[in-house]
Amino acid sequence: AQKITQTQPGMFVQEKEAVTLDCTYDTSDPSYGLFWYKQPSSGEMIFLIYQGSYDQQNATEGRYSLNFQKARKSANLVISASQLGDSAMYFCAMREGRNTGNQFYFGTGTSLTVIP
Amino acid sequence: GAVVSQHPSRVICKSGTSVKIECRSLDFQATTMFWYRQFPKKSLMLMATSNEGSKATYEQGVEKDKFLINHASLTLSTLTVTSAHPEDSSFYICSARRLTGKADTQYFGPGTRLTVL
Repeated sequence: AQKITQTQPGMFVQEKEAVTLDCTYDTSDPSYGLFWYKQPSSGEMIFLIYQGSYDQQNATEGRYSLNFQKARKSANLVISASQLGDSAMYFCAMREGRNTGNQFYFGTGTSLTVIP
Repeated sequence: GAVVSQHPSRVICKSGTSVKIECRSLDFQATTMFWYRQFPKKSLMLMATSNEGSKATYEQGVEKDKFLINHASLTLSTLTVTSAHPEDSSFYICSARRLTGKADTQYFGPGTRLTVL
């Protein structure tokens, strides 16, 4: 089974609007971390936000927030007030266990295009 | 600013030659680094886990004799693609585990685009 599923290959959003990028995960480990990365056309993976499985509150980082629904095993990324520079590929990732040296499992990504 | 660098950012080589890609953690020591491969419009696939001072752990299906990994210091890991062929053309990304920080996460390098002619 896929560890990380991103069902939206491509998304469009109007500038200044909010957009939600979906991510569901599959794990039997009670301890895990969920990450979102942005990959612009340059290729660099840019860390956006992190949610630990034991975190009580949803993570927020500026315009990024993570809608963490543990029972549904979903970790959707919400980008508020979209900007043209947000156009990029977005990857959801999971690391199982407490060891930060454990590997990341990546989803297939969502291509976001912000329309002026 | 960038905390992990990769060199070169882009390389073109002839079939049969070997290419070395460097991954450096710039302001922290990384006992563990990871090497990923990404095909166009695809996700990242882990190739191997590189631990300083020991042999790398390769994922299933990755040829260890073809993709040589050396993690000789706490700030440098290298990936050497030996006897490269056109099918090795890809985007190679490294990441380094950082032991401090809010998310205690991995930081990714900017990637190296390899084209084998």
